[in-house]
Amino acid sequence: AQSVSQHNHHVILSEAASLELGCNYSYGGTVNLFWYVQYPGQHLQLLLKYFSGDPLVKGIKGFEAEFIKSKFSFNLRKPSVQWSDTAEYFCAVNAGYGGATNKLIFGTGTLLAVQP
Amino acid sequence: DGGITQSPKYLFRKEGQNVTLSCEQNLNHDAMYWYRQDPGQGLRLIYYSQIVNDFQKGDIAEGYSVSREKKESFPLTVTSAQKNPTAFYLCASSPRRGGETQYFGPGTRLLVL
Repeated sequence: AQSVSQHNHHVILSEAASLELGCNYSYGGTVNLFWYVQYPGQHLQLLLKYFSGDPLVKGIKGFEAEFIKSKFSFNLRKPSVQWSDTAEYFCAVNAGYGGATNKLIFGTGTLLAVQP
Repeated sequence: DGGITQSPKYLFRKEGQNVTLSCEQNLNHDAMYWYRQDPGQGLRLIYYSQIVNDFQKGDIAEGYSVSREKKESFPLTVTSAQKNPTAFYLCASSPRRGGETQYFGPGTRLLVL
């Protein structure tokens, strides 16, 4: 069965520190990859996505992620975090793109706390 | 103002009761989904529907039921057969059947008394 692993359950950083959150998935075929973010008290919202093309994708608020097919990874990065980045981050995979399903498989999430 | 609405925001249920969570979207999306979010477990798919009058079980469908009589609406019923219903429930929709981004509602927190 397909699965998504997020290696860091809790991350605490100081403002201006660099961020990298790991995400690995298990599926050998074509995938669409997503990072969602849930700010305290807000909706789950899309941060960025990869469907095809350039494996380095840029999202909102200065976030970016790199798809490395050989490593089955889609790590999220930000060069300098802010206090407002405090949130829970979810990696998700849509396996079997092009088929009849649009099921997303989510990782368990990473809770990021940025200290001012 | 387009989006997904879920009601109520908080819902209390007594043991043995069925409760229904509402999800409405005005985005003209074909597909709709219900997820359950528990601390440390991420989001798990309960049911999804790709078109009106059709729906499929997700990974944790036991104890839940859904209907899709209208494109805009996808209510979820948590039945008394669901042994651990206390959770945060998220509804989502997407414009097509495959590969498209899902958009989420604000969620309903269900508490069992």
